[in-house]
Formats: sequence, C-alpha cells, structure tokens
Amino acid sequence: GEDVEQSLFLSVREGDSSVINCTYTDSSSTYLYWYKQEPGAGLQLLTYIFSNMDMKQDQRLTVLLNKKDKHLSLRIADTQTGDSAIYFCAEPSNDYKLSFGAGTTVTVRA
Amino acid sequence: EAGVAQSPRYKIIEKRQSVAFWCNPISGHATLYWYQQILGQGPKLLIQFQNNGVVDDSQLPKDRFSAERLKGVDSTLKIQPAKLEDSAVYLCASSRRTNTGELFFGEGSRLTVL
Repeated sequence: GEDVEQSLFLSVREGDSSVINCTYTDSSSTYLYWYKQEPGAGLQLLTYIFSNMDMKQDQRLTVLLNKKDKHLSLRIADTQTGDSAIYFCAEPSNDYKLSFGAGTTVTVRA
Repeated sequence: EAGVAQSPRYKIIEKRQSVAFWCNPISGHATLYWYQQILGQGPKLLIQFQNNGVVDDSQLPKDRFSAERLKGVDSTLKIQPAKLEDSAVYLCASSRRTNTGELFFGEGSRLTVL
C-alpha cells in the first residue's frame, strides 16, 4: 500500500457530497479500483475506472481520473448513513497484484 | 451465490503458539488470495493461488507462515509460531481468473496475539 496514498479521515453531513482522494504511482495501470469496507466486514468492490477514461458515473458514485497527476477521486452524491465505511483505492501491478491504500474512513453525521 | 466463507472469525492466542485459518472461496473461482490487514492499514497480499498452485508468495514470511490449497478449492493459512506483530485481520478473497482486480472478500479472521 505504500505506493497508493489516501487521506485518512473524512467527516460529512448527511445529504452532502463526499469526495475521497487518492494518488497512485504506476502510470501503466489499466484499471483503478475503489473498494468499500463496512465495520466488521470484508472489502467489497464498489466501482472501477479504465485508464483511458476521465470520468465514470454510476448512480450516486462519480469516479474522476487525472492520469497526468496520477490522481483518482471518488465522489458520493447525497451521502447517507449507510455510506459510513472505509474506502480503499487500489491499483494493480503489471502482473495484476492489487496494492491498496491505507483507506479513508468516512463518517456521516446527521 | 454464496460468498467467501472464512473461519474462525476471531482468535486469541499467546505468542509462540500456532493458529490456522480456513477459507472456502466462491464456487468456480480459480484464484484464491490471502491478505493481511493490520489495523489502520490497507490489505497486503500474502499469497495467491491459481487452482492448487502458488502464483505469488513473495510477501509471505515463510519462516512462520504457510498456506495450502490442496484440492484447488478451500485453503488453510497457518502461523507457527505467532509473534505479537501478527495481530491483524486475515482476509481471504477469490476471483474468477488471475488477471483481474475484481476480488470477492470474506469477512476475515481477526487474530490477536498476546
């Protein structure tokens, strides 16, 4: 995970948008991934983006990719209490070994 | 479809003791992974199997950790002897094929070494 960096904490009010940021190092990555981990549970694939895309939207989720700056972000619109979790950015190596960031803990307050 | 099953969910042992974790992947998934997740960190790959063969065990501390997937289905991860720094959640994941980032994770086995 040392090649993938994320801010550790984010607090957001219910109904607002959340933006989680990530920087990665391998410019040859074909896909980049976002995983979600709820308390006491394993990781669950949330969404991913192909490296030739700048943006991908999936319902309340928007992924933005800036390849020049090696920056990936995940925006959650209308954040709900069920969105409280740890969000991991992940990039694959050339042989598809996933490297995970340390995770961003999102806390949704009423 | 049933998810990835892991047991036990929790284990507390003293240092120098041994422990084993079991994982049953999603049916039909050829690739199985064991990850170590230390509190406050992202998961770190320990070992990857393709069917019953090892694809990558470069990050596995082989002096104390071992893993097997004898019949290409379920897998066991063993630690002997355990150290304090082995306290972590051990996550098992599976995928349909090797070259994918779409992994399906179990709930994990939380190990506390005293």
